[in-house]
Amino acid sequence: GAGVSQSPRYKVAKRGQDVALRCDPISGHVSLFWYQQALGQGPEFLTYFQNEAQLDKSGLPSDRFFAERPEGSVSTLKIQRTQQEDSAVYLCASSPGTNLGETQYFGPGTRLLVL
Amino acid sequence: DAKTTQPNSMESNEEEPVHLPCNHSTISGTDYIHWYRQLPSQGPEYVIHGLTSNVNNRMASLAIAEDRKSSTLILHRATLRDAAVYYCILRDGGDYKLSFGAGTTVTVRA
Repeated sequence: GAGVSQSPRYKVAKRGQDVALRCDPISGHVSLFWYQQALGQGPEFLTYFQNEAQLDKSGLPSDRFFAERPEGSVSTLKIQRTQQEDSAVYLCASSPGTNLGETQYFGPGTRLLVL
Repeated sequence: DAKTTQPNSMESNEEEPVHLPCNHSTISGTDYIHWYRQLPSQGPEYVIHGLTSNVNNRMASLAIAEDRKSSTLILHRATLRDAAVYYCILRDGGDYKLSFGAGTTVTVRA
C-alpha cells in the first residue's frame, strides 16, 4: 500500500523566503510527526498531531516554524523568513493510532537548502 | 530521557552476520528498546523492539542482556541493502516521539 509521501523532495530557497512542506500520511493514520535532520545527525522531533490537534510543538526551533493539519490528514510545515541554519531534511512520520510506543512510518523527507 | 551509546561505524562483509551493540546503562524498567534504520536518502524505518526477552522477526534479532543495560541488534546475513545508519532508541510507555542519537553507520562490503 501507499506509504507516507512528502513534497517537494528538494527545495532551494533564498534566505528570507517562506517555504511550505507537505506531508501525506498513510491513509487513516491518526498520529503525525515532523522531525528535522541536520547533515550527519539523527532526526530531531519538531511537533506532533493527533488528528487535527497539535498536541506538542515543543521541538519547533522558533516562531518562524508553523505546522498545521486542518482536516486531520495532510499536514503542512511552514517556515517563514528562512535562514541558512534551517537547511536540513524535514521528515514526516505517521502512526495508526494513539497508542504510545507505536511504530512510526516515515516519508522520504524534504531536503531544504537555504542560500 | 535515557541515553544510548552506539559505535559510530561498523563494517561487514556480504553474507556475514552483523552484531550492532547498544549500551543503555540508565534504562528504566518501563523502557522498551527500539531499533530503526535509515537507508541512504530515505526516512528511518522500524526494525525491531523488545522489553526483556530476545526478539526475532524477518529483518533481524534483538538480544537483550539480562540486566537490560545493553542490547545487540543482529543481522544474520548482511546484504548490500543493509548498508544504513542504525539507531537504538529507548521509549517508555509515555513516549510518543522518537529520540534519535547519532546511530551506527553500517557499511557492507561485497
